[in-house]
Amino acid sequence: LAKTTQPISMDSYEGQEVNITCSHNNIATNDYITWYQQFPSQGPRFIIQGYKTKVTNEVASLFIPADRKSSTLSLPRVSLSDTAVYYCLVLSGSARQLTFGSGTQLTVLP
Amino acid sequence: KAGVTQTPRYLIKTRGQQVTLSCSPISGHRSVSWYQQTPGQGLQFLFEYFSETQRNKGNFPGRFSGRQFSNSRSEMNVSTLELGDSALYLCASSLDRGQVSGNTIYFGEGSWLTVV
Repeated sequence: LAKTTQPISMDSYEGQEVNITCSHNNIATNDYITWYQQFPSQGPRFIIQGYKTKVTNEVASLFIPADRKSSTLSLPRVSLSDTAVYYCLVLSGSARQLTFGSGTQLTVLP
Repeated sequence: KAGVTQTPRYLIKTRGQQVTLSCSPISGHRSVSWYQQTPGQGLQFLFEYFSETQRNKGNFPGRFSGRQFSNSRSEMNVSTLELGDSALYLCASSLDRGQVSGNTIYFGEGSWLTVV
């Protein structure tokens, strides 16, 4: 499993766009990049997953450069309820076991 | 479409007792995995089941066990509970489509176990 590195914490204000970058230098050809959000005392919630270029869904965008050695989760116009820990994971197409790092604690301020 | 369902949501047990936690995966998902989350150790993989067979196992003692039924529902059991077993136990499920495309794994809300 590829090792990931992401900031321990980030602060933002309501209404701003937040970008969280994750480094994964040893990503393999068949690996996918997946982001989860976790609130205290709840299970991780799947946010977005991508392989290359850009992926967008109703809650976030994921930007992956051509070399795929990093990725950026973009949360548009965050609100207080987006305060959570965000985990970046790299896993193979047949991955059956997730290894979570420390994640990024995002705090959205009023 | 219902998500991953775990029961019970909260429970308190005494040291030395055993506990069984239940998980119903998303309909159609055949892979079920279990994780333990504690403030000190973070999220750690326990084991993964597919078609009633354990395929992967994390680094936990034999007191932690699990099983999967023919309908993909799964249970995990912890025997001879210790104070350190107090944690949030998470169940996750996926389709497990192999290398065809990214294998998205979805988590339940978890079962909070407190050992006193």
